[in-house]
Amino acid sequence: AQSVTQPDIHITVSEGASLELRCNYSYGATPYLFWYVQSPGQGLQLLLKYFSGDTLVQGIKGFEAEFKRSQSSFNLRKPSVHWSDAAEYFCAVGQPMEYGNKLVFGAGTILRVKS
Amino acid sequence: NAGVTQTPKFQVLKTGQSMTLQCAQDMNHEYMSWYRQDPGMGLRLIHYSVGAGITDQGEVPNGYNVSRSTTEDFPLRLLSAAPSQTSVYFCASSYAGANEQFFGPGTRLTVL
Repeated sequence: AQSVTQPDIHITVSEGASLELRCNYSYGATPYLFWYVQSPGQGLQLLLKYFSGDTLVQGIKGFEAEFKRSQSSFNLRKPSVHWSDAAEYFCAVGQPMEYGNKLVFGAGTILRVKS
Repeated sequence: NAGVTQTPKFQVLKTGQSMTLQCAQDMNHEYMSWYRQDPGMGLRLIHYSVGAGITDQGEVPNGYNVSRSTTEDFPLRLLSAAPSQTSVYFCASSYAGANEQFFGPGTRLTVL
């Protein structure tokens, strides 16, 4: 069975500093990988996704993620964090179509931005 | 497009009461699913549907029922609410040919 680990429950960064959120997955085949963001009291918004091809994926709001098969990782990065980036971030792995599009989520990382 | 809509936004129930959480999408997506979100546990799949008339269980299905009579609607039923079902519930949908899911705004349920 697939699983997703986000090792950091909380991360605090200064505004303008760079950010990296870690995600490790366990999955037998080539995974579909996602990063979602959730602002307090809101639903989930897709930041970016990896299905195949280029292992460096660009997303919305200046985020990017790199798929590293050898490390089973899909870390999220941003070169300069803004106060509005404070939110909870979820990494997820998706099963292929024949299993019904199921997503398995990590526990989430709460990002705090200090001014 | 309204996207994925959920009603109600908030609900308080007493133990043993029943209720239905509504979910609708106007994108003609084949796949719909229900997740619950609990602190420190991320989102966990309750039930999902790959098309009208077809449903299956996810990771945490106990205490919940679903049906899918139309493409647009995927209600989640709690037959006898328990305090352990206090959570935030999210509905999601996607096309059959892709894995990107679109999420509704959520329903915050408290069971006393």
